[in-house]
Amino acid sequence: KAGVTQTPRYLIKTRGQQVTLSCSPISGHRSVSWYQQTPGQGLQFLFEYFSETQRNKGNFPGRFSGRQFSNSRSEMNVSTLELGDSALYLCASMLHGQGRSSGELFFGEGSRLTVL
Amino acid sequence: LAKTTQPISMDSYEGQEVNITCSHNNIATNDYITWYQQFPSQGPRFIIQGYKTKVTNEVASLFIPADRKSSTLSLPRVSLSDTAVYYCLVGEYQTGANNLFFGTGTRLTVIP
Repeated sequence: KAGVTQTPRYLIKTRGQQVTLSCSPISGHRSVSWYQQTPGQGLQFLFEYFSETQRNKGNFPGRFSGRQFSNSRSEMNVSTLELGDSALYLCASMLHGQGRSSGELFFGEGSRLTVL
Repeated sequence: LAKTTQPISMDSYEGQEVNITCSHNNIATNDYITWYQQFPSQGPRFIIQGYKTKVTNEVASLFIPADRKSSTLSLPRVSLSDTAVYYCLVGEYQTGANNLFFGTGTRLTVIP
C-alpha cells in the first residue's frame, strides 16, 4: 500500500512569487491535513480537508490556501511568498475523519520550500 | 485548548531505557495522547497512542496517570537508530486535525 506522496520534494522560489504543493493521501483516506515545520516554530497546523471541504484552519494568513479534489488529493498554495515562508511543508492523511476521537496521522516526507 | 510541554533534549546510552515526559495540563475529556517520531528530512511517524493508564506495543509503552495531565513515553533498550525527535500530540480527531497540538519535541540522542 503506497504511503502519502508529496510533490515536489524541494523547490526554490523568490519573494513575491507563488507556489503550489501537492499531496496524494493513502488510498481510502479522506482526511488530509497540512503542516508547516520550521526550526523556530516547530510543527504548526495549517488546515484540514475532508471530502473536499475545509473543516479546520490554523492561524495563518490568507496567503495560505488549499483545496481537495474528489479523489482526496490535495493541494496547498502560498501566494506572495515571503522569506519567512521557507519551511518544510508536511501533508498527513487519516482514515478516520469523523466519528472517532482517536486516530493516526500518516505523514508524507514533505516539500522543502526555500524562498530567496 | 490543550498545549504540551516536553524537554528540549535528552541523551541516553545504547541499551538503556528512555522515558520522555510530556505535560498537558489543559487536556480535555475527549483528547487522546499520541507520540510521533521524526527523523531529519522525513515526516513524523506514529509510535503509540493512549487515553488512560498504560498502553504497550512492540516498540514502546505509554504511561498516563489518572489525572491525565502528563504522559510518559518509554522506549526500552534504545539503539543508535532511535536518535530522533519525539513529539507528544494531544487532541481529539473527531472534529478535525486543528484540535491536535504538537509539542515542541524532544531531541533524543543515543550514544554508543
